[in-house]
Amino acid sequence: KQEVTQIPAALSVPEGENLVLNCSFTDSAIYNLQWFRQDPGKGLTSLLLIQSSQREQTSGRLNASLDKSSGRSTLYIAASQPGDSATYLCALTSREAAGNKLTFGGGTRVLVKP
Amino acid sequence: GAGVSQSPRYKVAKRGQDVALRCDPISGHVSLFWYQQALGQGPEFLTYFQNEAQLDKSGLPSDRFFAERPEGSVSTLKIQRTQQEDSAVYLCASSSTESSNQPQHFGDGTRLSIL
Repeated sequence: KQEVTQIPAALSVPEGENLVLNCSFTDSAIYNLQWFRQDPGKGLTSLLLIQSSQREQTSGRLNASLDKSSGRSTLYIAASQPGDSATYLCALTSREAAGNKLTFGGGTRVLVKP
Repeated sequence: GAGVSQSPRYKVAKRGQDVALRCDPISGHVSLFWYQQALGQGPEFLTYFQNEAQLDKSGLPSDRFFAERPEGSVSTLKIQRTQQEDSAVYLCASSSTESSNQPQHFGDGTRLSIL
């Protein structure tokens, strides 16, 4: 059974510092991996989607890498801003699962201090 | 609509009551998913529809949980004889096709509190 882990569970940084969020998974047979942002009381906003054949995706200050062989993905957020404060979740679609259901990690709660 | 819409946003019920949660996916989206998110945790899969067909209900925690999507658009998640452990945020997501290449778009969820 696929398991997804995110460490640390919480992270606090001063404004301007780069953020590094980690996600690990146990089964490398995946279709894709997605990073989401969740603000309090809100749903999930998709940030980046990496297909299994890709190594990384970039959007603005965000960069996500994928290393299937080691079962890891990393989300980098450059020059963090207070508006980046939120919970970040990684999720993946496994080849073992019928349909495209997502398996989520527990999330990393990020606080960027002004 | 522009996004996935869920109603109600908040629901408070007494233990033992039945509740119904509604999801309006993005127009034309084929796939629809329900997830349950406990406080401080990541969402967990409940069930999946492709059009009106419920293809995977392996995540439903008990036979008190029932979901339907009779016309392949709006979906309803029903919980019978609610219990305190059912308290959670219920998230609905849709995607444009059944392909794994398409991202899932989430609604803001329904926060269910069972007293």
